[in-house]
Amino acid sequence: GNSVTQMEGPVTLSEEAFLTINCTYTATGYPSLFWYVQYPGEGLQLLLKATKADDKGSNKGFEATYRKETTSFHLEKGSVQVSDSAVYFCAFLSGGYQKVTFGTGTKLQVIP
Amino acid sequence: NAGVTQTPKFQVLKTGQSMTLQCAQDMNHNSMYWYRQDPGMGLRLIYYSASEGTTDKGEVPNGYNVSRLNKREFSLRLESAAPSQTSVYFCASSVSAPQYNEQFFGPGTRLTVL
Repeated sequence: GNSVTQMEGPVTLSEEAFLTINCTYTATGYPSLFWYVQYPGEGLQLLLKATKADDKGSNKGFEATYRKETTSFHLEKGSVQVSDSAVYFCAFLSGGYQKVTFGTGTKLQVIP
Repeated sequence: NAGVTQTPKFQVLKTGQSMTLQCAQDMNHNSMYWYRQDPGMGLRLIYYSASEGTTDKGEVPNGYNVSRLNKREFSLRLESAAPSQTSVYFCASSVSAPQYNEQFFGPGTRLTVL
């Protein structure tokens, strides 16, 4: 069945460090891929998305590339800030309203 | 423009009690959703409403009912709460189908069932 696998957290980094959060998916067809971010006490917000193979989504210094050959959508940022501390969710949507699949989330903590 | 609002923010119930979680959006979106978030399990879709007047089951609908009261409001009802329904509940909305349209989430309702 459909599934998303994210690296387990928490991930603790120093400010200005490089961030990678791995995400792989199992899905039929050609899903759209998303990264959502959840700041403490808030709902999820869309961070970036990609709707077809080789697309690169980017926002606020974060990037992720839709790799169909490896079924991956890894999130990267070159230099993290304390304000990036949050939980990051990888998700994909395939074929309709019922096919909304979220990963378990990766908590990121950035220390000064 | 408040976006997606949810009430209440917190709730404690005893097993067997009933309650309704309220959700409203002011973005004129057609589609609305209810999710639950549990530790280690990500978000799971409970019910969704593709448009006003329609509702459909998601991945985990058992023990819940929904009502799309109008285009703005989508409520989730627990008729007889069980400890397994202890979770954080999120309402979301989107213009239409979520494949190409961003979902906007409310701040969540933290529910504890004793």
